[in-house]
Amino acid sequence: AQSVTQPDIHITVSEGASLELRCNYSYGATPYLFWYVQSPGQGLQLLLKYFSGDTLVQGIKGFEAEFKRSQSSFNLRKPSVHWSDAAEYFCAVDRGSTLGRLYFGRGTQLTVWP
Amino acid sequence: NAGVTQTPKFQVLKTGQSMTLQCAQDMNHEYMSWYRQDPGMGLRLIHYSVGAGITDQGEVPNGYNVSRSTTEDFPLRLLSAAPSQTSVYFCATQRGLSTDTQYFGPGTRLTVL
Repeated sequence: AQSVTQPDIHITVSEGASLELRCNYSYGATPYLFWYVQSPGQGLQLLLKYFSGDTLVQGIKGFEAEFKRSQSSFNLRKPSVHWSDAAEYFCAVDRGSTLGRLYFGRGTQLTVWP
Repeated sequence: NAGVTQTPKFQVLKTGQSMTLQCAQDMNHEYMSWYRQDPGMGLRLIHYSVGAGITDQGEVPNGYNVSRSTTEDFPLRLLSAAPSQTSVYFCATQRGLSTDTQYFGPGTRLTVL
């Protein structure tokens, strides 16, 4: 069964516009939650992660994400997108049952219009 | 400090050939893993290792072998390549806790004809 759902395959925004990428997970307990970014031809880079505590987490490059237990969601946001943010974004969960075993969503491709 | 390195960057194989994808890390991380990335599928875990001499299967282990004789290296072997194994392969490492960051290598793009 799919553990992580990213409903949007492709999103296009204008530079300077706000951005929200959606992520939902299916797991009874609260898993560890991650957002990664992949630029073309590159490996994955961690943007931010949530384990516990404050449900709003800050990451690198001006990104933030909010964990909402009631909605089983961990959406990624950025108030003002830059052209360099164009990339593919992956949400991932670690259920905690096995060290470092990440389950990834299928990714959201972000295009930024100038 | 090179982090996580993978070789080769690109490889083309014929069906039935064997090869080994190399992964090395210089961060002294205990945990290493292999993922494959296919269009529209995200990354899926193939095999992982929690330390030298210890390996286990992930979501999609069929057709792949691994071993971990040292902390630094975690090679992935394709014994008899199939077109379904055409993919981009990523190696990742993690220090030792689920809360630690996983670091990914640059990937190997494999095509099986």
